[in-house]
Amino acid sequence: TQLLEQSPQFLSIQEGENLTVYCNSSSVFSSLQWYRQEPGEGPVLLVTVVTGGEVKKLKRLTFQFGDARKDSSLHITAAQPGDTGLYLCASVSGGSNYKLTFGKGTLLTVNP
Amino acid sequence: GAGVSQSPRYKVTKRGQDVALRCDPISGHVSLYWYRQALGQGPEFLTYFNYEAQQDKSGLPNDRFSAERPEGSISTLTIQRTEQRDSAMYRCASSYAKGGDEQFFGPGTRLTVL
Repeated sequence: TQLLEQSPQFLSIQEGENLTVYCNSSSVFSSLQWYRQEPGEGPVLLVTVVTGGEVKKLKRLTFQFGDARKDSSLHITAAQPGDTGLYLCASVSGGSNYKLTFGKGTLLTVNP
Repeated sequence: GAGVSQSPRYKVTKRGQDVALRCDPISGHVSLYWYRQALGQGPEFLTYFNYEAQQDKSGLPNDRFSAERPEGSISTLTIQRTEQRDSAMYRCASSYAKGGDEQFFGPGTRLTVL
């Protein structure tokens, strides 16, 4: 089973600041997904990255997949209180890519 | 339409009792997944169904855990002879296609074993 390490574990910032969170593995990802989980809710898919070096943007969120496909980062520009939540990365595996292995997540708090 | 629903939302039981957790996937979704999420952790895969067939149960912790989806829609996760270490959030997810498709997660059932 692939182990994913996410850092930092906790992050508390002020509204308007930028931040980056990381997801690393000792082995290559076939593909990787980022989720956001709000309190009392299930995780919601933000993005899937597949190709090494890939960069995807979702409004103020920028996702990068490392060239070697062993690491990924999520950068948020001008954070807002609505960005508060648990950010999870998950590797995708299994014969038909059904199996998600999640990291422990980064708990982000954006203070107004 | 409605998202994935789970019931009960909260379940408190005594050690040694059996519990059954229910998942209603999004209508028309072929695949259904069960996860367990401890506090401060990401979800941990338990099992996966395509239609009524259980394709992978490798994540079930031991033989006290079982799951079924007899008509390819609603699924039940059953834990027999519950133990305190079974306390966690149990989440269900469904996806439209067989694997590889976006998984939509339910709100979970918070199980507490006293």
